[in-house]
Amino acid sequence: DTAVSQTPKYLVTQMGNDKSIKCEQNLGHDTMYWYKQDSKKFLKIMFSYNNKELIINETVPNRFSPKSPDKAHLNLHINSLELGDSAVYFCASSPVTGGGGYTFGSGTRLTVV
Amino acid sequence: AQTVTQSQPEMSVQEAETVTLSCTYDTSESDYYLFWYKQPPSRQMILVIRQEAYKQQNATENRFSVNFQKAAKSFSLKISDSQLGDAAMYFCAYKPGGGADGLTFGKGTHLIIQP
Repeated sequence: DTAVSQTPKYLVTQMGNDKSIKCEQNLGHDTMYWYKQDSKKFLKIMFSYNNKELIINETVPNRFSPKSPDKAHLNLHINSLELGDSAVYFCASSPVTGGGGYTFGSGTRLTVV
Repeated sequence: AQTVTQSQPEMSVQEAETVTLSCTYDTSESDYYLFWYKQPPSRQMILVIRQEAYKQQNATENRFSVNFQKAAKSFSLKISDSQLGDAAMYFCAYKPGGGADGLTFGKGTHLIIQP
């Protein structure tokens, strides 16, 4: 079983559309995250959720909204997609305490045309 | 705010040789964790090694080891006996101790292995 799975792996869509990326973890971790990797490979955290509470909200446009129906799921919804949103989006999870390694999903490559 | 700096955008090494990737960080915290992640062309993020700041002993995982210099805020990764499968982007990352903060990443080093 995949520890952190996200779907879809690839997403091509037109500007102005609304799309969602789903993420699920079966590790029993308390916290889940969304990261964005830009075209220069730079990784930056967007959000994290701990027991359904948003605890980090970096300065991302409010067109991006994380939604967590339960501890094992953290979906990313994006409204009114723009060309600059094209990137690879990674979901990750970790235990809330200690420095346990973060487990990443395989990423979703979003291309906005 | 914490920052992580990787000063080598690209490194090249002959197969079977040793290579060291540099990483420095800036923090006012005393308790934190440091990580090296590998990202091959498949784009999967793979944890290579982690270090707890309160431990003086350098972490080692098979051919991978770190040189952790807390006072200098330096955390370099040494890869011994380089193999073709080591070719990837390598990211240094920082996490404050406690809480559920996300990782702060460096910009990465692209490692090329020459046969």
